[in-house]
Amino acid sequence: GQQVMQIPQYQHVQEGEDFTTYCNSSTTLSNIQWYKQRPGGHPVFLIQLVKSGEVKKQKRLTFQFGEAKKNSSLHITATQTTDVGTYFCAGHSSNDYKLSFGAGTTVTVRA
Amino acid sequence: ETGVTQSPTHLIKTRGQQVTLRCSSQSGHNTVSWYQQALGQGPQFIFQYYREEENGRGNFPPRFSGLQFPNYSSELNVNALLLGDSALYLCASSLLTGATEAFFGQGTRLTVV
Repeated sequence: GQQVMQIPQYQHVQEGEDFTTYCNSSTTLSNIQWYKQRPGGHPVFLIQLVKSGEVKKQKRLTFQFGEAKKNSSLHITATQTTDVGTYFCAGHSSNDYKLSFGAGTTVTVRA
Repeated sequence: ETGVTQSPTHLIKTRGQQVTLRCSSQSGHNTVSWYQQALGQGPQFIFQYYREEENGRGNFPPRFSGLQFPNYSSELNVNALLLGDSALYLCASSLLTGATEAFFGQGTRLTVV
């Protein structure tokens, strides 16, 4: 079945630095979604990418969908303490209602 | 706030017991999905309901079952609980099936002892 993998599992970042987290699927995706889960909270939708090679920005966050629609990345610039949490990518395969999540990248920030 | 509410927020059950978790979807959303999230893992898809019918199922045994009601609220039932069923159970509602944004509830933390 479809597998979604994320690296790194943990990201320890100095406040103000940039970092990137990566997502790879074993199958071609019809879309990729990114969610953020704060400690003790629930996943909150950030963005959805649908087109091959698509790039979207939300303030300091840049999301990219790969050309083959099997991988994605999230780049955060000038990390702030508010960026703490676990970032999940999730995707649908074609004609599949199942949303498959990666294991997440847990981000901690050193002030 | 997403408008998706789950109850109860926490629950402790004994092995072999049965449990029912409840979810009220966001107004106007006719699709509800349930996920199991073990500690340190991503949410795992259990099943999805659309207009009161099961619309897709993940790799969970039949002792995980569900219902969706005419008002689109939903229940997750788990029979013959195992220690390994201890997890955060998340409900997510969406406007349509398929590739649309999912709005998650705060979850039910189930502990099986």
